[in-house]
Formats: sequence, C-alpha cells, structure tokens
Amino acid sequence: DIQLTQSPSFLSASVGDRVTITCRASQGISSYLAWYQQKPGKAPKLLIYAASTLQSGVPSRFSGSGSGTEFTLTISSLQPEDFATYYCQQLNSYPPMYTFGQGTKLEIK
Amino acid sequence: QLQLQESGSGLVKPSQTLSLTCAVSGGSISSGGYSWSWIRQPPGKGLEWIGYIYHSGSTYYNPSLKSRVTISVDRSKNQFSLKLSSVTAADTAVYYCARIRGRSDFDYWGQGTLVTVSS
Repeated sequence: DIQLTQSPSFLSASVGDRVTITCRASQGISSYLAWYQQKPGKAPKLLIYAASTLQSGVPSRFSGSGSGTEFTLTISSLQPEDFATYYCQQLNSYPPMYTFGQGTKLEIK
Repeated sequence: QLQLQESGSGLVKPSQTLSLTCAVSGGSISSGGYSWSWIRQPPGKGLEWIGYIYHSGSTYYNPSLKSRVTISVDRSKNQFSLKLSSVTAADTAVYYCARIRGRSDFDYWGQGTLVTVSS
C-alpha cells in the first residue's frame, strides 16, 4: 500500500505569512494527488486536484506543485480563515485505494 | 448545486450493523464519470476511505474493512447506502459521504454524521 506522510504535523504561523506543507508518497503516484482543508466540525473541502489544479472557487493564494513522490501545498499570504487542518490524498489506481495523509494542523501564532 | 446529506442511526451497539444513507440532490447519482464514496474520521483523528460504488454499480472497498462493508445504490431515490457489520468501539467516527470525480478526488461532501458504538 502507498503511504502518505505530511510534514510538518503542526505549524504555527501569522496572518500574512507564506507557508508550505509537504506530502511525501512511499512510491511514485504521478500527479494523482489532491489537497483538502478541514475546519473543526466541518467536512473537508477540496482545494487542489491533480497536484496543481486549483478547484473552482478556491482563492488563488493556494497553490500546489510536485509529481512522483513529493508534493507541496503553498499558501502565499495567510488569511484568518486559512487556519485549519490540511490533508493530502492519493489514488492508487489498481486495486482502487484512496489514502489520506495524517494531516497538518495550521495554527495562529 | 450538488448536495449530499447523510442520515441513519447515531448510536449502534457493539456487534450490530451500522447503517447509513446518503441522499443526493441537485444532480443524478447515475451520471457517468462519478463514483459515490464513504469516508470516516474517528474523533480527533484523520480520514479513512471506506469504499465506493461506481455509477455502473461496481463496488470497491478498503481492504482493511472489506469483510464487513457493503455499499449499495438506490437509483429510484437518488441515494446510496453504507452497511458496516460487527461494529466495535473502534468504528466510532464521523461518517461522510462524498462524490468522487473522475476516480481521483472527492469534490462534494456531505456534512457528516457521528456514529457512536456503545452498549
């Protein structure tokens, strides 16, 4: 099974900061990676798919990059509403198996 | 705008079967190119994919849960369902239904429903 490891698990930052979260896959997954944002008591929200494509309606301060085994989610200038937990997710094509990273909690400094 | 809404029992006794339904509105569950999935999240923990049903009716399950999971679809009601048998306290979680777009990402989610396994 393919494992996803996010780093860091916790991140403290200030409004206006640029932050980067990394997701590493245990084996190559091409560009089959998505990023989600989850706020307390809410369902996850899709931010980025296919590693770097911004989901409709998501602010352009969010961006994704990478392929193969290493991927990043970058928030260019943190806004108060961005403090949340972020998850990466991959699809293993066969047999079909979806895996999430363990999450990165982004907190206000 | 597509909407998904989970419903079902919030309290299940150990060894019994958990049953949840996801009602889909604003779109047809039979639309090609999409699959319909269940994901769960134990309190304070991360996300775990349970399984999905393709618009054709094919199902795929997480190997760790496969022996206990059944996902089915009711096209007449535009909804799909989850059954998880022989539950234990470890199955206590918020259960989400979601749409899979192009077999790659989860683009629409229900609000989630907490299921507690307790006697």
